[in-house]
Amino acid sequence: EVQLVESGGGLAQPGGFLRLSCEASGFIFNNYNMNWVRQAPGKGLEWVSYISPSSPASSHTIYYAASVKGRFTISRDNAKNSLYLQMNSLRDEDTAVYYCARQSNTGLYDMDVWGLGTTVIVSS
Amino acid sequence: DIQMTQSPSSLSASVGDRVTLTCRASQSIRSYLNWYQQKPGKAPKLLIYGASSLQSGVPSRFSGSGSGTDFTLTISSLQPEDFVTYYCQQSFSMPRTFGQGTKLEIK
Repeated sequence: EVQLVESGGGLAQPGGFLRLSCEASGFIFNNYNMNWVRQAPGKGLEWVSYISPSSPASSHTIYYAASVKGRFTISRDNAKNSLYLQMNSLRDEDTAVYYCARQSNTGLYDMDVWGLGTTVIVSS
Repeated sequence: DIQMTQSPSSLSASVGDRVTLTCRASQSIRSYLNWYQQKPGKAPKLLIYGASSLQSGVPSRFSGSGSGTDFTLTISSLQPEDFVTYYCQQSFSMPRTFGQGTKLEIK
């Protein structure tokens, strides 16, 4: 079964940090581009970041939303079938459910597989 | 950035109705438009990709159309489980952007 499972969410103070993980199974992880998408309480979906599967690590193509650029770092370990999001300098507005999502190989760049999400709360 | 605007923000309808949701892009995105369904407390689920292709396993009552800047999602005969929220998303360029969502409510 194709599956994504996020972990690492929790409570952090403003200015603090968290590291989210997403473990993939049921498909060849290093064949797929991956994304993080978040949803603040009661709000819509916001794309956060993207990473291509290329290796060595220096060859990854990476993008960030302007709201997180310079504070968040996306990475992946294809040997561990895992995607990560290092979140530093956290702000109240980073409070959200964070989903990892697989970009499909249709060539149309849709996100066809989503994890259940992990909740991040930034509060003092 | 490409702005995605969905209308209406909410829609009241009855079981069995045919409804059409609209999504407009601030610039041409060709057919790089995807529709997601989200149930409360759950992850989004891909319904339609490439503006009109039905994702595997999605009921045929869902259909999508459009290209360029104007897109629609049609549900031909609403079922009770369809009264949830729908999002469009452009995958033409980075940053990826979503519409604000349309919530379907039971009349």
